Amino acid sequence: AQSVTQPDIHITVSEGASLELRCNYSYGATPYLFWYVQSPGQGLQLLLKYFSGDTLVQGIKGFEAEFKRSQSSFNLRKPSVHWSDAAEYFCAVGTGGGNKLTFGTGTQLKVEL
Amino acid sequence: DAMVIQNPRYQVTQFGKPVTLSCSQTLNHNVMYWYQQKSSQAPKLLFHYYDKDFNNEADTPDNFQSRRPNTSFCFLDIRSPGLGDAAMYLCATSSASGLAGWETQYFGPGTRLLVL
Repeated sequence: AQSVTQPDIHITVSEGASLELRCNYSYGATPYLFWYVQSPGQGLQLLLKYFSGDTLVQGIKGFEAEFKRSQSSFNLRKPSVHWSDAAEYFCAVGTGGGNKLTFGTGTQLKVEL
Repeated sequence: DAMVIQNPRYQVTQFGKPVTLSCSQTLNHNVMYWYQQKSSQAPKLLFHYYDKDFNNEADTPDNFQSRRPNTSFCFLDIRSPGLGDAAMYLCATSSASGLAGWETQYFGPGTRLLVL
């Protein structure tokens, strides 16, 4: 069965600093990978996705993520964090057969001004 | 703009009193999902409709039911809410091709359910 691990429950960064959120997945086939962001009391917004092709994918709000098959990772990065990026970030893997998403437990990002 | 709409955004119910949450979409997607998200936890899939076909997750309690009267609307019914059912309920949609193709899921803003 597929699974997603986000090892960092909480991360605090200063505004303007770079950010990397870690995500590791377990899945037998080629994974479909996603990063979603959730602001307090809100639904999930898609940041970016990887289906195939270029392993470095660009998303909205200046985020990018790199798929590394050898490490089973799909880490999210941003070169300069803004205070408005404070939110919870979820990594997810999709299964091709069932069109289902399995989410990681999320990383709560706090941005210090 | 095409979107996924959930009503109400906040719902208060009493212990044991049936409650219905609503989701509608203007994306014309053929798949609709319901997730439960408890505080500080990942969203957990309850069930989904692939067109008119209902697909229940194995560990979804019988207390949770769903209806999809047409492509645009999907309802989540909780027959006898318990205190443990207080959570955010997220609706999502996707346009699956049925050929092992995979399309992105788009989420609504959620309905926060409080059980008194």
